[in-house]
Amino acid sequence: DAKTTQPPSMDCAEGRAANLPCNHSTISGNEYVYWYRQIHSQGPQYIIHGLKNNETNEMASLIITEDRKSSTLILPHATLRDTAVYYCIVRPPSGSARQLTFGSGTQLTVLP
Amino acid sequence: GAVVSQHPSRVICKSGTSVKIECRSLDFQATTMFWYRQFPKKSLMLMATSNEGSKATYEQGVEKDKFLINHASLTLSTLTVTSAHPEDSSFYICSARSPISENTEAFFGQGTRLTVV
Repeated sequence: DAKTTQPPSMDCAEGRAANLPCNHSTISGNEYVYWYRQIHSQGPQYIIHGLKNNETNEMASLIITEDRKSSTLILPHATLRDTAVYYCIVRPPSGSARQLTFGSGTQLTVLP
Repeated sequence: GAVVSQHPSRVICKSGTSVKIECRSLDFQATTMFWYRQFPKKSLMLMATSNEGSKATYEQGVEKDKFLINHASLTLSTLTVTSAHPEDSSFYICSARSPISENTEAFFGQGTRLTVV
């Protein structure tokens, strides 16, 4: 799977948008970009994923650059409960037998 | 959405004893489940891939005789930490992906905090 690079930590003010970057310059054409987050002492939670187009769901928006070498996860109105480690993962759609490989992620701290 | 349930959420055991952790997919059948381990302030590290009806596949450096995995049904995988030692204290997490389509998300259990004293 392609390697991803994320900043180790970020702060965001409560109520503001949190923009979490991810670099995946070696991504292959069939690899998807997935975002998960892990709140302290819990299992990871799926947020969103995409291939080429920007995606939006009830939790977040995913912006993928045209060359697909980087992406940004946007939490439009961050709350204190969004404080977590956010993982950006790229993987091909090769069926259910592929595990996710986690990097170091970004520790997002939402400040009151 | 699909849910993966893990039990227990935390356990304390004495050195030398064995501990079993269960991972259940609640509303889908999972032919493959994954077991991860996470040490404090570290990322998740894959330990093994659990395959229904066959032997698990272990990652390099993970002792198969110490971390016994059984995937006897399409909805249940168990991880048994045998002869536990304090260095086995960690956060253990399972995951499964619904096999309906290739690019669906993986679902994770809530994790098991193991403390060996």
